[in-house]
Amino acid sequence: ETGVTQSPTHLIKTRGQQVTLRCSSQSGHNTVSWYQQALGQGPQFIFQYYREEENGRGNFPPRFSGLQFPNYSSELNVNALELDDSALYLCASSSPRGPQETQYFGPGTRLLVL
Amino acid sequence: QKEVEQDPGPLSVPEGAIVSLNCTYSNSAFQYFMWYRQYSRKGPELLMYTYSSGNKEDGRFTAQVDKSSKYISLFIRDSQPSDSATYLCAGSGGTSYGKLTFGQGTILTVHP
Repeated sequence: ETGVTQSPTHLIKTRGQQVTLRCSSQSGHNTVSWYQQALGQGPQFIFQYYREEENGRGNFPPRFSGLQFPNYSSELNVNALELDDSALYLCASSSPRGPQETQYFGPGTRLLVL
Repeated sequence: QKEVEQDPGPLSVPEGAIVSLNCTYSNSAFQYFMWYRQYSRKGPELLMYTYSSGNKEDGRFTAQVDKSSKYISLFIRDSQPSDSATYLCAGSGGTSYGKLTFGQGTILTVHP
């Protein structure tokens, strides 16, 4: 069984640019959640996708947007990058056979904004 | 005040010790409580989850939830150097159903 995968692993952007991060959910998992983890902090919920629809959003501005595809993979898009967007971006998937709270994380994409 | 508070440590123990990791939370609607382990530069790994109050045991790990005091704990018996990591607690429930609210994480080092 393949776990959650994310790409790219690392990324460097400059302020004002746009970035797209990708996630493939664990086999059979239809819910994908995205989190931002700043250095030394716990992950913060950005949003969740279920059946290609946004299913809950945290306290992040609209320049953070996402998509989920029919194969349950997902993208996180961030426009007008700011220095504070530098963080580890984590994708997590959960199974329809268990509670949505049991989320399995990928390795993350480390984004540095200069 | 953060919804989930966790002492960041760091916590250093000798191999074989019993480790106690703790969190408090403020959201009374939380029903699910999770513990994750995160190694350096990796994604969090789900260790255990519990629903509502009570204890749950899995090998060397025991999770406890006391909803009356809004206190959650993770105990690690016979700690090993491979347990050295950051431990994250999280809660979920109510209007935040499906959304995990994490603590800051506790850095644990188990030295041989």
